[in-house]
This record gives sequence, C-alpha cells and structure tokens, in this order.
Amino acid sequence: DADVTQTPRNRITKTGKRIMLECSQTKGHDRMYWYRQDPGLGLRLIYYSFDVKDINKGEISDGYSVSRQAQAKFSLSLESAIPNQTALYFCATASGGRYNEQFFGPGTRLTVL
Amino acid sequence: DAKTTQPNSMESNEEEPVHLPCNHSTISGTDYIHWYRQLPSQGPEYVIHGLTSNVNNRMASLAIAEDRKSSTLILHRATLRDAAVYYCTLAGTASKLTFGTGTRLQVTL
Repeated sequence: DADVTQTPRNRITKTGKRIMLECSQTKGHDRMYWYRQDPGLGLRLIYYSFDVKDINKGEISDGYSVSRQAQAKFSLSLESAIPNQTALYFCATASGGRYNEQFFGPGTRLTVL
Repeated sequence: DAKTTQPNSMESNEEEPVHLPCNHSTISGTDYIHWYRQLPSQGPEYVIHGLTSNVNNRMASLAIAEDRKSSTLILHRATLRDAAVYYCTLAGTASKLTFGTGTRLQVTL
C-alpha cells in the first residue's frame, strides 16, 4: 500500500462549489504539506502543518483552508472554487528537520469549470 | 525564500553520464539543497540532498560549489527510466521546499 494517499485522484467541479481534497499517510510523520502545480511550473506551497495544533500558511494560501484532523490526515478545502484553481494538487509528508526528504502523494487533478 | 534557476531541458544518450546544473545564488547558510524528480503523472520523488559537502547515493551524486551558490546533480549512467523533470529545491525554515521550474531530461537510445 502507498505511504501517502490522496482522494479523489480526479475531480471536476463548477465555479462556486465547495471542494475538499484529502490526504492520509502511514509513515508516522509529523509534518504535512499541500502544494499546487500548474502546467509547466514547479510546485508552490499552499499550507503546511507540524502537528494537529500547528497550521501555517504557505506561499499561496488565499482561497484555500486546511484541517489537520489527526497526525495522519491533512485536508485541503476550496470554500468557493474558481477556474484559476484548476491545477494538480500534491500532499507531502516529512519527519522533522530541513535535511529530511519529503514524500509526495500521487496528486489530485482538479478542474473547475 | 531563495530561488533556484535551472535549464528548461537537457538531452542525454542512454548509459552516458548526465550533469544537471542549478543556480541558487541567494541560498542562506542553513538551507539544504534537495533534488527531486517527477515522472509523468506522478508526484515528485526524492533523489538526493546536501548542505556543503558532495554527496553520493544509489540514485545519483550531488556536487555542491564551495560558495554553495550552485550545485550539479550527476546521473552516472542515464537510462530511459530516468527521463523526468528534475527539480533543484532549497529546504529552508520549517523544511519548506522552494521549487523552480525544473529541467526536463530526455534520454534517447
């Protein structure tokens, strides 16, 4: 089984709808991250969390919110989706320390019409 | 956050070495240099990281300039399975990764 899973893998929705993307990990890591990837570009950080009570904004948090329900689960919500939020979304986990690698999930492809 | 700059694309013949360069002239003294690669339709995959000294692992080698303003990922013998987008990233505070646009590596027979 995959260490980092994301659901759904693909989602098409309409402008104004509320959407939740979920991420679960079995690696026992305390740090979790949400990134967004647009075509031809690198990943940009949306939110990150060090534990259930520690949530931090990343580079592009406007229009997004997150919830860390447990150490293993980190959800990303779009309260009112808009077309320019169409992108690939990746969740990642890591143990403590900037020298530690991040483990990425397979991604969720979100299309907002 | 410090930025990284990489060539958009590179080509290599199979079983030849590949040197992928990265500039990070605004790197801070405590930033780690990480390399990830992304295969088509997959999430990024860790390749290697370093701070000051050159590093080797089973996948690749990382050569870091003495002033730390640039680094080079070395694939010793490229295979078709190494065709991917390679990202040079910097791990700063809170282990946040700053991604550039990456280098698309094409490997041909």
